[in-house]
Amino acid sequence: DQQVKQNSPSLSVQEGRISILNCDYTNSMFDYFLWYKKYPAEGPTFLISISSIKDKNEDGRFTVFLNKSAKHLSLHIVPSQPGDSAVYFCAASGDLSGSARQLTFGSGTQLTVLP
Amino acid sequence: EPEVTQTPSHQVTQMGQEVILRCVPISNHLYFYWYRQILGQKVEFLVSFYNNEISEKSEIFDDQFSVERPDGSNFTLKIRSTKLEDSAMYFCASSEALRTGVFLVQPQHFGDGTRLSIL
Repeated sequence: DQQVKQNSPSLSVQEGRISILNCDYTNSMFDYFLWYKKYPAEGPTFLISISSIKDKNEDGRFTVFLNKSAKHLSLHIVPSQPGDSAVYFCAASGDLSGSARQLTFGSGTQLTVLP
Repeated sequence: EPEVTQTPSHQVTQMGQEVILRCVPISNHLYFYWYRQILGQKVEFLVSFYNNEISEKSEIFDDQFSVERPDGSNFTLKIRSTKLEDSAMYFCASSEALRTGVFLVQPQHFGDGTRLSIL
């Protein structure tokens, strides 16, 4: 199942610089996208989301961009901090069936922010 | 900040035994979910639950699996006869009401998971 893809398994960034994490999707029925951060031995922590009626959503240091025509979204973290080092998952949902919305996850990108 | 809690954090069970994983969702949430992550693989959806019934389930969620909300706070996942391939991290999640007006979808909030090891 490759409906949500994160092609970079890892990314290293210097502290204070911008981190850009990318995600592609194939299912055109997806209309809600989320980014989660995960530390070892913890569950995914919700970071930020965007619905398909927008192309940008910002929350503090985190901004998510959505390009529907390219079926691509990205997460920008500015400035990056060592505490941001974690695995970042992209997830998507759509009004495919039923009343609840299952999430389809990407495989994750390990972000390392170097001091 | 309210959070989803899961118990136990680690469960070791003999193959063929029944196991029950427990979750306490965030109190004002109405939608409940179970996901699993096999080591080295993606997080996969198992089942969603709303209004005291299953809303959706994946192909993974076969007759060996069941979910229940036995009281006003707990949400459980039962595996009747565990197999080796059931070894995974199991995550519970919950969310508020999904859609109001034109478009409003609330994010799912996850617990820290139960690591299930089948021997």
